[in-house]
Amino acid sequence: DGGITQSPKYLFRKEGQNVTLSCEQNLNHDAMYWYRQDPGQGLRLIYYSQIVNDFQKGDIAEGYSVSREKKESFPLTVTSAQKNPTAFYLCASSIGTGLEAFFGQGTRLTVV
Amino acid sequence: AQSVTQLDSQVPVFEEAPVELRCNYSSSVSVYLFWYVQYPNQGLQLLLKYLSGSTLVESINGFEAEFNKSQTSFHLRKPSVHISDTAEYFCAVSVPRGGADGLTFGKGTHLIIQP
Repeated sequence: DGGITQSPKYLFRKEGQNVTLSCEQNLNHDAMYWYRQDPGQGLRLIYYSQIVNDFQKGDIAEGYSVSREKKESFPLTVTSAQKNPTAFYLCASSIGTGLEAFFGQGTRLTVV
Repeated sequence: AQSVTQLDSQVPVFEEAPVELRCNYSSSVSVYLFWYVQYPNQGLQLLLKYLSGSTLVESINGFEAEFNKSQTSFHLRKPSVHISDTAEYFCAVSVPRGGADGLTFGKGTHLIIQP
């Protein structure tokens, strides 16, 4: 089945450590996105990529980094510079600009 | 830039009663509109979308939404809710063939179905 796979589903890390969240899609979509979700805040865009080897900062990119070396993969690294990293992270992809996004199941990151 | 306002953060309703979740948007250009549903600890699933054509769009599980350009609204309705409809609902907007940063989401409405 085609879809978006995020792993792991739950992730625990100590404060000060970098951590990488995986996102893989087999939908052949060019566009991929990372969102952060906090209670009552909706979805906030972290980074997005419209094509391989290119990506842009979203609204809350500070403390995060991404790469897009392959069309299928868009990993997100939460660095130690992110002040409040505990959140639910969602990866999405889209077949074209402005069209609907398809979401993975999310990764819940807890930093202790 | 576009923005989305979901007027209610929580909507409690009794089972089998009708419900309306409100969504208003702001944009200087034509838009596409979407409703997504999120169950606890899961990703978002597309419920329905308006791209063009008929202003009334329907989902397979009984929800419908009507695009009202003059009121810049896209309210979601269901005539009779079930306990399984308990979830978070997000309204989203995008610009056709523009906006490389994808969809803009509202803050969500938590639909609480009471038995």
